[in-house]
Amino acid sequence: DTGVSQDPRHKITKRGQNVTFRCDPISEHNRLYWYRQTLGQGPEFLTYFQNEAQLEKSRLLSDRFSAERPKGSFSTLEIQRTEQGDSAMYLCASRTQGANTEAFFGQGTRLTVV
Amino acid sequence: QKEVEQDPGPLSVPEGAIVSLNCTYSNSAFQYFMWYRQYSRKGPELLMYTYSSGNKEDGRFTAQVDKSSKYISLFIRDSQPSDSATYLCAIQRGAQKLVFGQGTRLTINP
Repeated sequence: DTGVSQDPRHKITKRGQNVTFRCDPISEHNRLYWYRQTLGQGPEFLTYFQNEAQLEKSRLLSDRFSAERPKGSFSTLEIQRTEQGDSAMYLCASRTQGANTEAFFGQGTRLTVV
Repeated sequence: QKEVEQDPGPLSVPEGAIVSLNCTYSNSAFQYFMWYRQYSRKGPELLMYTYSSGNKEDGRFTAQVDKSSKYISLFIRDSQPSDSATYLCAIQRGAQKLVFGQGTRLTINP
């Protein structure tokens, strides 16, 4: 399967714990995006990378969130000291740079904070 | 005001019906408009992509953009039970970031 891969698919954690999610984009895609989707809502932009550089972060991305994309390949999203409000689906998307290119989404990681 | 507004539904129609899904957007500078389909517990997948105004047709699906009224629509003809999903409209902003509507949950009843 050469699509966008996310791991894990589901994560249940206790409030206050740290969690880390991984995204493996389509290999030739230089742009990688993280979105968050809560129940009954559309995805909301969190941050994006062009190659290994993190170029933009949304105001939704509090100090407890950090994302990396070492060597411009896979990316990780870490949430420290999780809160119940962090419960959501975290989606990763990748694409090549260019106006008419398509963004491909992964299946998402569903986080439940109890 | 949200950049993209979408009626969340839910919408339930009989098989074979024509479905109309709609969104409005706030910024007349937007040029790229998309419709994504999202099945339960899956990531969104691109359904239709339109640049600027006009219509685009792909099989049973037609996407329409009216820039004068800042209105985007998706029409599904001869709807099938397999079309049951959440449909998300989206606009593309700088750096190809996507801004999504709330999503409309559609059920096609056999």
